[in-house]
Amino acid sequence: NAGVTQTPKFQVLKTGQSMTLQCAQDMNHNSMYWYRQDPGMGLRLIYYSASEGTTDKGEVPNGYNVSRLNKREFSLRLESAAPSQTSVYFCASSDRGGSSYEQYFGPGTRLTVT
Amino acid sequence: AQSVTQLDSHVSVSEGTPVLLRCNYSSSYSPSLFWYVQHPNKGLQLLLKYTSAATLVKGINGFEAEFKKSETSFHLTKPSAHMSDAAEYFCVVSEGSGTYKYIFGTGTRLKVLA
Repeated sequence: NAGVTQTPKFQVLKTGQSMTLQCAQDMNHNSMYWYRQDPGMGLRLIYYSASEGTTDKGEVPNGYNVSRLNKREFSLRLESAAPSQTSVYFCASSDRGGSSYEQYFGPGTRLTVT
Repeated sequence: AQSVTQLDSHVSVSEGTPVLLRCNYSSSYSPSLFWYVQHPNKGLQLLLKYTSAATLVKGINGFEAEFKKSETSFHLTKPSAHMSDAAEYFCVVSEGSGTYKYIFGTGTRLKVLA
């Protein structure tokens, strides 16, 4: 039982390049999330998927797209990377939505855009 | 609107002394509250959660937190700090049965001195 896994762990991009961050969970959770973590700002929600086949914007969606490929996988795409997207990205999942359901986090992807 | 404030960005304690990490929240409804811990270069791990049951919540590794509605606080405590407790701690608020959103505090970095 690996929980939530993310690939890659580290990535360096040049401005304008594109890439996809991959996330998978093996807990049969319905809901999945993408966050970014910047120094002194906690985590901020980029996009979430309440259930397979649905996605919604979070607090900071600009410059990103997502795909809920199936129940297990939720990917985050940067079409044209910018230095402002340098951050640590975390994927999370929960059994379902609702405030009482805790979220389980992956180990993160450290992205640097030069 | 919901929000969460972690009152200290850094806390230093000596090993074996008590730990107090402070969190205040703002919520229009009865919230759920969580504490997560993040060790260096790792993902976030749930320490404990409050979801309107007992106001004193016990978590892993000897941590506990007390929900005080009158003070809108959810402070995290531990009687005796260990070196392994050195990490960053996040207070999180979530509200509503249909919500998919966590609101994170900006984090408190705990340093444990030998």
